[in-house]
Amino acid sequence: EAQVTQNPRYLITVTGKKLTVTCSQNMNHEYMSWYRQDPGLGLRQIYYSMNVEVTDKGDVPEGYKVSRKEKRNFPLILESPSPNQTSLYFCASSSATRQLEQYFGPGTRLTVT
Amino acid sequence: GNSVTQMEGPVTLSEEAFLTINCTYTATGYPSLFWYVQYPGEGLQLLLKATKADDKGSNKGFEATYRKETTSFHLEKGSVQVSDSAVYFCALRPGGTSYGKLTFGQGTILTVHP
Repeated sequence: EAQVTQNPRYLITVTGKKLTVTCSQNMNHEYMSWYRQDPGLGLRQIYYSMNVEVTDKGDVPEGYKVSRKEKRNFPLILESPSPNQTSLYFCASSSATRQLEQYFGPGTRLTVT
Repeated sequence: GNSVTQMEGPVTLSEEAFLTINCTYTATGYPSLFWYVQYPGEGLQLLLKATKADDKGSNKGFEATYRKETTSFHLEKGSVQVSDSAVYFCALRPGGTSYGKLTFGQGTILTVHP
């Protein structure tokens, strides 16, 4: 089954404790993105990647890091989480030939206390 | 910069009512436009898209027409069902660029009662 998976689905952590949210897709897609969803703000893009070792900033990259060492994986790293990063995070992927159709993961709800 | 504005929600309708969710955008050039739907507890799913002016996207009874003169992409459905209850997002991707930023509106919550 074609899918985008994220782990963990729920995470409660404390300020300053480094964490990683994993994202993996099994569709051999070139493009992957991370978004955060906040009430009243819709989804905002954090980072995106056009292929292995190629990443770029989205609209709200501050406080986040990403890496793309393998085509299928695109982890989101919070080196020193803060309460304003409490949000619902989505990973998405799409192919180079069908760029307009993004497939979204189920979401990771992160709470930073 | 690019932006998407959706009508304020939430929207509450009775089953079989007509639905319109307004969406207007600001962008340079010729963006591609999308409607995504998010069912409770799930990720977003692409509902429909349009890539150039006057295109009409349609899927599952929903329609939206790309109106460049009014910079709008309103979502419509003639007869909603309880199963249509979800959050709907309008989005754009800039034209003339390689894959890059996808800009979303704030989302509109739709609740349909039997």
